[in-house]
Amino acid sequence: ETGVTQTPRHLVMGMTNKKSLKCEQHLGHNAMYWYKQSAKKPLELMFVYSLEERVENNSVPSRFSPECPNSSHLFLHLHTLQPEDSALYLCASSQDPWTGGYGYTFGSGTRLTVV
Amino acid sequence: AQSVTQLGSHVSVSEGALVLLRCNYSSSVPPYLFWYVQYPNQGLQLLLKYTSAATLVKGINGFEAEFKKSETSFHLTKPSAHMSDAAEYFCAVSDKGAQKLVFGQGTRLTINP
Repeated sequence: ETGVTQTPRHLVMGMTNKKSLKCEQHLGHNAMYWYKQSAKKPLELMFVYSLEERVENNSVPSRFSPECPNSSHLFLHLHTLQPEDSALYLCASSQDPWTGGYGYTFGSGTRLTVV
Repeated sequence: AQSVTQLGSHVSVSEGALVLLRCNYSSSVPPYLFWYVQYPNQGLQLLLKYTSAATLVKGINGFEAEFKKSETSFHLTKPSAHMSDAAEYFCAVSDKGAQKLVFGQGTRLTINP
């Protein structure tokens, strides 16, 4: 399988649940990203991992916890979420984050609904 | 810091008409520029990118964009719209050496039959 794969595609969770989103890339890329896309809002960069090290955390609430065990996998652990956290969560990867010229490859996203 | 402005959150054209989606960036040096397309409930797909080679860049699905340094613009065009072009389009910019893309707010393209 090639590209960036996100699972699950859809997730409904209660505010007291704990769940995880998974992202896997088979492209040999060195950087991975989590974005949040809410209705009528711009794409929000949440986390950046470069060579498995977190290099950016854009003031994301602690109820979102990322994990990057290796360069192919990225997780987003969720706990005690709020209804306003309902959104499409997108994972992306890039070949070389330091030159900026490669752009990103995105997964299809996980549609999260918090009830 | 880099920023991107997409003029018009919603553009509507008739099938067969010219598509023009506008993007302006702020940068003191020529950056890398990208256009992405997003279909409903999907991720973003790269349409085309400018990386300081030819200023007129051709992408997938008949789209092209022209880098104009004097206007700090990177507008996306397609000569003849097709119903399948209905989607959201995002312009993005990256500085050389930057570790992230900065995205515009997106333009929703509607095609009228």
